[in-house]
Amino acid sequence: QITLKESGPTLVKPTQTLTLTCTFSGFSLTTNGVGVGWIRQPPGKALEWLALIYWNDDKRYSPSLKTRLTITKDTSKNQVVLTMTSMDPVDTATYYCAHRHPAAIGTGKNWFDPWGQGTLVTVSS
Amino acid sequence: DIVMTQSPDSLAVSLGERATINCKSSQSVLHSSNNKNYLAWYQQKPGHPPKLIIYWASTRESGVPDRFSGSGSGTDFTLTISSLQAEDVAVYYCQQYYSDTPITFGQGTRLEIK
Repeated sequence: QITLKESGPTLVKPTQTLTLTCTFSGFSLTTNGVGVGWIRQPPGKALEWLALIYWNDDKRYSPSLKTRLTITKDTSKNQVVLTMTSMDPVDTATYYCAHRHPAAIGTGKNWFDPWGQGTLVTVSS
Repeated sequence: DIVMTQSPDSLAVSLGERATINCKSSQSVLHSSNNKNYLAWYQQKPGHPPKLIIYWASTRESGVPDRFSGSGSGTDFTLTISSLQAEDVAVYYCQQYYSDTPITFGQGTRLEIK
């Protein structure tokens, strides 16, 4: 059974850097084709894809946020870390990590299942 | 970016009746190399993360009831729930994965019981 869980601060101040950790089980990020993505959802709003990291350390970023995002993995800990710099109140959202669907392997494309429960991050002074 | 537009924004359907949600992409998500539509549907119940229900526009995820079906091609897609159950109350999102940077979602459609 694949599970993912996000952790990190619930409150950050404007201009600070956010660091979120996704700890997963049931799969390995050393396995060919596996990937983990980050998606966020402002309160009452739609989903926004942020970043993705593959088993081979290849990375993809949302072009609109690319300068602020860094995604890394620690395969020994089964973790993926997302950092976002220069946080602003508009970045207030629930942040989800999610597993790349197995049927996506070999396609070069990405959709996600399952997702973690999400962590709400509020940006406020 | 490929813009995904869903309609309607909200929908109220009686139990046992059919629910239909539409999703339109700003450009075709049909890949000519394999004739597949690069579109997924998710269900998000209140207080829960999204759950994948359909990919390749019409392939039902394992364990998803067969009252859920996806159809369409190119730029126009539909998610149909053939006989609405109380547990289907949720917000539904479409996602294109034709372009992987960025992956984009629709704005969501809220489905309620009439």
